[in-house]
Amino acid sequence: GENVEQHPSTLSVQEGDSAVIKCTYSDSASNYFPWYKQELGKGPQLIIDIRSNVGEKKDQRIAVTLNKTAKHFSLHITETQPEDSAVYFCAASINQFYFGTGTSLTVIP
Amino acid sequence: GAVVSQHPSRVICKSGTSVKIECRSLDFQATTMFWYRQFPKQSLMLMATSNEGSKATYEQGVEKDKFLINHASLTLSTLTVTSAHPEDSSFYICSARDGGQGPRLAAEAFFGQGTRLTVV
Repeated sequence: GENVEQHPSTLSVQEGDSAVIKCTYSDSASNYFPWYKQELGKGPQLIIDIRSNVGEKKDQRIAVTLNKTAKHFSLHITETQPEDSAVYFCAASINQFYFGTGTSLTVIP
Repeated sequence: GAVVSQHPSRVICKSGTSVKIECRSLDFQATTMFWYRQFPKQSLMLMATSNEGSKATYEQGVEKDKFLINHASLTLSTLTVTSAHPEDSSFYICSARDGGQGPRLAAEAFFGQGTRLTVV
């Protein structure tokens, strides 16, 4: 089955700096790669996604890149704000969703 | 994005009783719903996948007689934790997938708010 690895597990950045979270996957058949933000005590919220026929996608301060050959994808958050502090999960999907282990992001004011 | 409503958000029950958690897709038809369990500071662990009108598919190690899943309509799935024990205390999250056709065409999935179950 699919195996998704996510790094780093924790990340602290100064407000205004950029944050990058990286994930790798094992199953080349995976064709959908969403990123979720989870705040304490809440369910994950979809923030951006990318499909296998696209190499990069951007939505305001958030961008995701996908390298199908290397089987890795990354989340980039620019101009970070304290409200970006949360746990972020990547996932790879064919039918089911396989999640990374999560990255706890702290943005220091 | 689409809205998935999960209820209750928090429940405390006595050991030995059963608890039902509801997951509703409010503005789309969810042909597939997923149920996850999440331990503190850990990732989501898939428990089962349910398709409307058919039996749920459980992941290895998940007791289907203990975690009863019903997906009776395209907008509602329920998870019933039967004969709950303290070790069942956890954060349970549902997810509903919007459309999608066939095994190779993925579709977006949206999550409910989660249910914090505490068994005392």
